[in-house]
Amino acid sequence: GENVEQHPSTLSVQEGDSAVIKCTYSDSASNYFPWYKQELGKRPQLIIDIRSNVGEKKDQRIAVTLNKTAKHFSLHITETQPEDSAVYFCAANLPSNAGGTSYGKLTFGQGTILTVHP
Amino acid sequence: SAVISQKPSRDICQRGTSLTIQCQVDSQVTMMFWYRQQPGQSLTLIATANQGSEATYESGFVIDKFPISRPNLTFSTLTVSNMSPEDSSIYLCSVSRGAVGTEAFFGQGTRLTVV
Repeated sequence: GENVEQHPSTLSVQEGDSAVIKCTYSDSASNYFPWYKQELGKRPQLIIDIRSNVGEKKDQRIAVTLNKTAKHFSLHITETQPEDSAVYFCAANLPSNAGGTSYGKLTFGQGTILTVHP
Repeated sequence: SAVISQKPSRDICQRGTSLTIQCQVDSQVTMMFWYRQQPGQSLTLIATANQGSEATYESGFVIDKFPISRPNLTFSTLTVSNMSPEDSSIYLCSVSRGAVGTEAFFGQGTRLTVV
């Protein structure tokens, strides 16, 4: 099966700084990598995702990069704001059949507690 | 996106009893999953709920402890059986339309406390 390692476990930054969270995965067949933000007491919410045929994707202040050779992907948040404070989870989707289609079955990293200080 | 209704949102149960959690989606989805999130931890997949057939369980989870039903494309239940305090967790339903690179949506979760 897939194994996802996430670092750091906690990250503290000043408002306006950048934050970077890194994940590595074990199975080269994984083909989809979402990032979720979970605020206290709430459900995980997708913030950005990337497919294995893309190296980088950006959405306003958030970007994700993927290095398939090294089997790692990273979340970059620029100009951080206090409302970015939450737990962030990376995940990898290992296709469940030989056809390589994805079914939303995710293996999650351990999570990163991001705190943005005003 | 998919709107997922999960209930109950929370419950406090006596050890040795069972609790059934329901997950209802507003549209037909291909895949439904159940995750467990222990306090302060990440999400761990319990099983894939298969329509009309037995669920597919991940290592460490068994049907006798976590029986799952999925009678149609929009509804699933997870039962936590013969509960012990170690079962205290948040249980989350997740759905996906199953296409390549498809997004997985989560229900709001059920916070279970076993006393």
